[in-house]
Amino acid sequence: DIQMTQSPSSLSASVGDRVIITCRASQSISTYLNWYQQKPAKAPKLLIYAASTLQSGVPSRFSGSGSGTDFTLTISSLQPEDFATYYCQQSYSTIEPVTFGPGTTVEI
Amino acid sequence: DVQLVESGGGLVKPGGSLTVSCAASGFSFSNAWMNWVRQAPGKGLEWVGLIKSKAAGGRTDYAAPVKGRFIISRDDSRNTLFLQLNSLKAEDTAVYYCATYDFRTGYLDPWGQGTLVTVSS
Repeated sequence: DIQMTQSPSSLSASVGDRVIITCRASQSISTYLNWYQQKPAKAPKLLIYAASTLQSGVPSRFSGSGSGTDFTLTISSLQPEDFATYYCQQSYSTIEPVTFGPGTTVEI
Repeated sequence: DVQLVESGGGLVKPGGSLTVSCAASGFSFSNAWMNWVRQAPGKGLEWVGLIKSKAAGGRTDYAAPVKGRFIISRDDSRNTLFLQLNSLKAEDTAVYYCATYDFRTGYLDPWGQGTLVTVSS
């Protein structure tokens, strides 16, 4: 099974800050890596797929990079509506095609 | 608009069974690969399983914690996805989400709003 880790598990930031969240896979997953944002009591929302492709309608302050085992989600200038939990998800494995990271909570 | 609406959650005793549903609209459900994902209270996201479209063979895959207890099925004539939960345990308590799976990139989008299943005596 492919294991996903994220760091940090939580962070405190201010509006306007640049925020970087890291996701690591236990083995190479090429660019089969997706990022989601989840706000309390809401369903997750797809932000980025294939490691770096911005989903339609997602603000350009969000960006993703990486390949192989190491990936990052960057928020260039944090906005009030960005305070949420962020999850990475691998889609490389054919045995267990969906595995999520443990999440990173971005707090004020 | 593309929409997924889950229903059928509730309180069930340990060892019991429950079926939750996901009604789809606004897209070609019969061609879609569909997933179930759950989230225990205060915890992260956990993949439950997926079902491919009938054109892709209709195969189901399950996560290890639910394999042999949960069954995913679909009724394309009703644009509805089902999750049958059997032999329920307290640790199955969670919000259950359905989501459409892009088979080329593996992302999940869109998602339903979720339905809460509580396993308690």
